Amino acid sequence: NAGVTQTPKFQVLKTGQSMTLQCAQDMNHNSMYWYRQDPGMGLRLIYYSASEGTTDKGEVPNGYNVSRLNKREFSLRLESAAPSQTSVYFCASREGSLLVEQFFGPGTRLTVL
Amino acid sequence: DQQVKQNSPSLSVQEGRISILNCDYTNSMFDYFLWYKKYPAEGPTFLISISSIKDKNEDGRFTVFLNKSAKHLSLHIVPSQPGDSAVYFCAASDGNNFNKFYFGSGTKLNVKP
Repeated sequence: NAGVTQTPKFQVLKTGQSMTLQCAQDMNHNSMYWYRQDPGMGLRLIYYSASEGTTDKGEVPNGYNVSRLNKREFSLRLESAAPSQTSVYFCASREGSLLVEQFFGPGTRLTVL
Repeated sequence: DQQVKQNSPSLSVQEGRISILNCDYTNSMFDYFLWYKKYPAEGPTFLISISSIKDKNEDGRFTVFLNKSAKHLSLHIVPSQPGDSAVYFCAASDGNNFNKFYFGSGTKLNVKP
């Protein structure tokens, strides 16, 4: 039981390049999330998927797109990376309904030069 | 503007003593609160939660207190152990949407042996 896995662990991009961050969970959870963590800012919600087939914007969605590929997988895409997107990205999942606990992956450290 | 604030970036406590971590929020609609713990290079892990119908919730060495009139919550760890050294995040939701939690910036706790 791996929980929430994220790939890659580290990535360096040049401004304007694109990339996709992958996330998968094996807990049969309904809801999945993408957060970014910046120094002094805590975690901020980028996008979430309340259930398979749905996605919604969070606090800071600009510059990102997401895909809920199936119940297990939720990817985050940067179409044209900018230095302001340098951050640590966390994926999380939640069983859903009234169970509030989110389970987080280990994070992806992204640097955009 | 951050709706959830943790004004102490760091806290140092002697092993065996009490650790008190504080969190303030501005949105009076928030009625569900969580604490997460994060070790370096790992994702956050859920610690304890409280809903606004309670003013205290206890789980072993961890107790969360909620003061709704002051829009303030605190996490007490008694007794503190070196393994508790981590960054602690509080998070809040308005309860209508458990998909949207707002996180504070975190407090780094150091428990000295």
